[in-house]
Parts: sequence; C-alpha cells; structure tokens
Amino acid sequence: DTQMTQSPSTLSASVGDGVSITCRASQSISSRLAWYQQKPGKAPNLLIYEASSLQNGVPSRFSGSGSGTEFTLTISSLQPDDFATYYCQQYNDFKTFGQGTKLEIK
Amino acid sequence: EVQLVESGGGLVQPGGSLRLSCTASGFTFSFYWMSWVRQAPGKGLEWVANIRTDGNDNQYVDSVKGRFTISRDNAKNLLYLQMSSLRVDDTAFYYCARDHVGGYFDLWGRGTLVTVSS
Repeated sequence: DTQMTQSPSTLSASVGDGVSITCRASQSISSRLAWYQQKPGKAPNLLIYEASSLQNGVPSRFSGSGSGTEFTLTISSLQPDDFATYYCQQYNDFKTFGQGTKLEIK
Repeated sequence: EVQLVESGGGLVQPGGSLRLSCTASGFTFSFYWMSWVRQAPGKGLEWVANIRTDGNDNQYVDSVKGRFTISRDNAKNLLYLQMSSLRVDDTAFYYCARDHVGGYFDLWGRGTLVTVSS
C-alpha cells in the first residue's frame, strides 16, 4: 500500500502570507494526487487534481506541483476563508489520504 | 442542484449491522464510479470502498473487507453501504463521494454519523 505523509501537521500564518504544504508518497504515484480543503463540520472540497490541475471554481491563489513521490500545495496570499485543514490523496494504488495539515491564524 | 445526500447513520452495538444510503441528484449517476469515505471524529480521512458504474466491480480497504458491501441502484440513483460485524473503531462520519474516473473525489455529501458503542 502507498502511504502518504504530509508536513507540517500544523501551520500558523497570517492573512496575506504565502504558504506551502508538502505531501510525500512512500512510492511513486506519477501525478495521481489530489488536494482537498476541509472546514469544521463540513465535507472536504476538491482543490487540485492530477497534482497541478485546478478544480473549477477554486481561486487561482491555490496551486499544486510535483510528481513521483513529492508534491506541494501552495496558497499564494492567504485569505480569511483559507484557514482550514488540508489533505492530500493518492489514487495510483487504491486511494489513501495524508494525515492532514491544519492551517491556523497566527 | 448537483448533490449527494447520505442517510441511515445512527447508534449500533458492536457486532451489529447498519445500511447507509446515498441519494444522488443533478447529474447522471450511472456515468460515475462512486465511493464511501469515512472520518472518525477529530481524525483524518479514510477511503472505504468504491464501485464501478455498472456495479460489477468494487474495491475495499483491507479493514472492512468481508464486513462491508458496497452496491448501487442506477435506476433509483442510490448508493448503499451494508455494514456488518461492526466494531467500535468503525465509528465515524461516512461520506458518499463521486469518484472521478481518475480516482479523486469531485463531489461529496454532507455525511452521516455511525456510532458503534455498547
């Protein structure tokens, strides 16, 4: 099974900051990676698929990069609505999620 | 409106059974693979099972194999998850999700809570 490891587990930042979250796969998954945002009490929401493709309706300040085993989600200028938990998910070998990164207001 | 709505959650004793349903609307249900994803309270996401468009192929995470069965009724736009031999660690919110052909989830329901406790 392919394991996904996200870092950091918690990230503190301010409105207007740029931030990055890393996701590492235990084996190569090509570009078969998605990113989700989840707010408390809500279902996850797809942000990025195929490592770097932006889902319709998602603001352009979100971007994804990487291939193989290392991937990054970048938010270029944090808005108040962006403080949430973020998950990566691989879909090359069944489907597994990272453990999540909680983005907090500093 | 394009949406998924889960139902059927509740409190069940260890060893018991429960069937979850998910009603799809606003899109052609029969065109899509579908999945169940769960999340224990305060924890991360775990994919549970998925099912092919025609219902004739499905996959499960190892921890539920032999206990859970995913199925669908394309005529009624319904997805099911039959859960048996439930354990305390099956306690979670269960989400129905549209499984894009590539394997990611582009539409989610609001979830239904399953609590396994004596």
